[in-house]
Amino acid sequence: NAGVTQTPKFRILKIGQSMTLQCTQDMNHNYMYWYRQDPGMGLKLIYYSVGAGITDKGEVPNGYNVSRSTTEDFPLRLELAAPSQTSVYFCASSYRTVWYNEQFFGPGTRLTVL
Amino acid sequence: AQSVTQLGSHVSVSEGALVLLRCNYSSSVPPYLFWYVQYPNQGLQLLLKYTTGATLVKGINGFEAEFKKSETSFHLTKPSAHMSDAAEYFCAVSGRELGGAQKLVFGQGTRLTINP
Repeated sequence: NAGVTQTPKFRILKIGQSMTLQCTQDMNHNYMYWYRQDPGMGLKLIYYSVGAGITDKGEVPNGYNVSRSTTEDFPLRLELAAPSQTSVYFCASSYRTVWYNEQFFGPGTRLTVL
Repeated sequence: AQSVTQLGSHVSVSEGALVLLRCNYSSSVPPYLFWYVQYPNQGLQLLLKYTTGATLVKGINGFEAEFKKSETSFHLTKPSAHMSDAAEYFCAVSGRELGGAQKLVFGQGTRLTINP
């Protein structure tokens, strides 16, 4: 299994440009998550999904959009990039269980908006 | 609402010395507690977790943590530091959403440096 994969690894955007961060998992996990990590800070949840066609906002959703058309893929869309969106973005996934489900993280995408 | 505070953004110890990384949490419901490790330019890897049962939990690479409800703490320890332990460590908390998505709330992280 490749686990959780993210592309691209690095990207520089100009203010106002758009891009999609790709996330794919091959573990047949129901749940998927997007986090951002700012320098010196912990991760903050942007959006999450409990299954294909179902998404919900996390703590910091403004400026982002997501979709979940398949179990495997959970892309994150930035429509009008702003310098405040400079961050490292992590995708994660987990099984659906009753009590607890461990999240598995991808390697991250480092985004700079200039 | 839940929150996590990690005391000390940077901890430096000598190789072979005790490692102690501090984490305090706030939660209105019984929490799940986690420690994650992040090596340079990599994603997060779960070190250990507390969900229920024994309050002293053991994880990978010789780390352990103790859940102390009265102190709302979940400090991470390792008896003898190794050079390979140098990394960033994150404490996280989530609620016990039965069958639901686990929305993790992270602390700001502690960078651990090991001196030879």
